[in-house]
Amino acid sequence: DAGVTQSPTHLIKTRGQHVTLRCSPISGHKSVSWYQQVLGQGPQFIFQYYEKEERGRGNFPDRFSARQFPNYSSELNVNALLLGDSALYLCASSSTAYQPQHFGDGTRLSIL
Amino acid sequence: DQQVKQNSPSLSVQEGRISILNCDYTNSMFDYFLWYKKYPAEGPTFLISISSIKDKNEDGRFTVFLNKSAKHLSLHIVPSQPGDSAVYFCAAIPQGGSEKLVFGKGTKLTVNP
Repeated sequence: DAGVTQSPTHLIKTRGQHVTLRCSPISGHKSVSWYQQVLGQGPQFIFQYYEKEERGRGNFPDRFSARQFPNYSSELNVNALLLGDSALYLCASSSTAYQPQHFGDGTRLSIL
Repeated sequence: DQQVKQNSPSLSVQEGRISILNCDYTNSMFDYFLWYKKYPAEGPTFLISISSIKDKNEDGRFTVFLNKSAKHLSLHIVPSQPGDSAVYFCAAIPQGGSEKLVFGKGTKLTVNP
């Protein structure tokens, strides 16, 4: 079975640009969460979606947005990119609440 | 405000010995605790979890202990193998049904042959 897949794997952008990151959950998983991991820190929660509805939002500015599609895949959008947005962005999926979340390998975003 | 703390950035052990990774938390309102392992260039991989109503959970070489009065949990790996070398993250799920994971900063484990 395919795990959580994320695209692209690497991305280089400049300040002020916009970026869209994509995630396909494990088949049958209806919940998708997004995390940001900066160097030397643990992943930090950004969003959680379940059945296409936002179920949770972390302490991130409104420049960050996300959505989930009918096939349960998800997009994370970041507008007006700042240097501090450089990080590994991780997507995780799970079947229901309190089931372990399974992570993709992430998208490495570099802002120049 | 770090709610989940891993105070040891690194740990080095010999192959075959026990590895003990520690984690402290400041918020009593967590329902579940989990341990994830992360290799470079890969996403975190789930290892083992424990409910806040338990004090021990075991899965093969991995055992997690929870001490609620001390707000402390630990992961024991016995025996340690070189393939266990990775960064280990402690994470917690707050009460209320959210799937938000609150992570510690991680501990880099090196198992020497």
